[in-house]
Amino acid sequence: GNSVTQMEGPVTLSEEAFLTINCTYTATGYPSLFWYVQYPGEGLQLLLKATKADDKGSNKGFEATYRKETTSFHLEKGSVQVSDSAVYFCALMPGGGADGLTFGKGTHLIIQP
Amino acid sequence: SAVISQKPSRDICQRGTSLTIQCQVDSQVTMMFWYRQQPGQSLTLIATANQGSEATYESGFVIDKFPISRPNLTFSTLTVSNMSPEDSSIYLCSVDARATDTQYFGPGTRLTVL
Repeated sequence: GNSVTQMEGPVTLSEEAFLTINCTYTATGYPSLFWYVQYPGEGLQLLLKATKADDKGSNKGFEATYRKETTSFHLEKGSVQVSDSAVYFCALMPGGGADGLTFGKGTHLIIQP
Repeated sequence: SAVISQKPSRDICQRGTSLTIQCQVDSQVTMMFWYRQQPGQSLTLIATANQGSEATYESGFVIDKFPISRPNLTFSTLTVSNMSPEDSSIYLCSVDARATDTQYFGPGTRLTVL
């Protein structure tokens, strides 16, 4: 079956530090890959996505590249801010788009001033 | 994207009762999904709801416990039946925005069962 593995948190960084949150997946075929973010007290928001190998998704300074050879979709940001503190979820949707999402366990990111 | 609303936003219920959660979308969508997020955990897909057909349930979820209705292309309900404290979770609906293969989520319903 499909599965997503992401690094467990909490991850604590200082403001302006470089961020990497690792995500690897197992899936048949060619899934689409997503990062969702859940800010404190808010709902789940789409952060970025990539639908095929070597695609790079980007939004709000965050980036992730779909690496088929390593089955990975690591989230990166060059300089984090306190406002980036949230829980980040990596997810996949099987190829074809007719199925629900499979989520990783989430990574709680804490940015300190 | 789509604007999605859910009712109620939160509720506290007694063991053995049932709660129906509503999900409303501002545009017609083919597929709607229901997820559960247990405290401190990730999201787990409960079922997929297509208009005009029976919902498709994931392993570990059954229709008797989580009946779903999908009467039209903008609305769905999820009922949590015969509740126990283990059903305390956030329940979220999502929609697959047309032609983008991307799911957008409602704000969730926070359920506490005593």
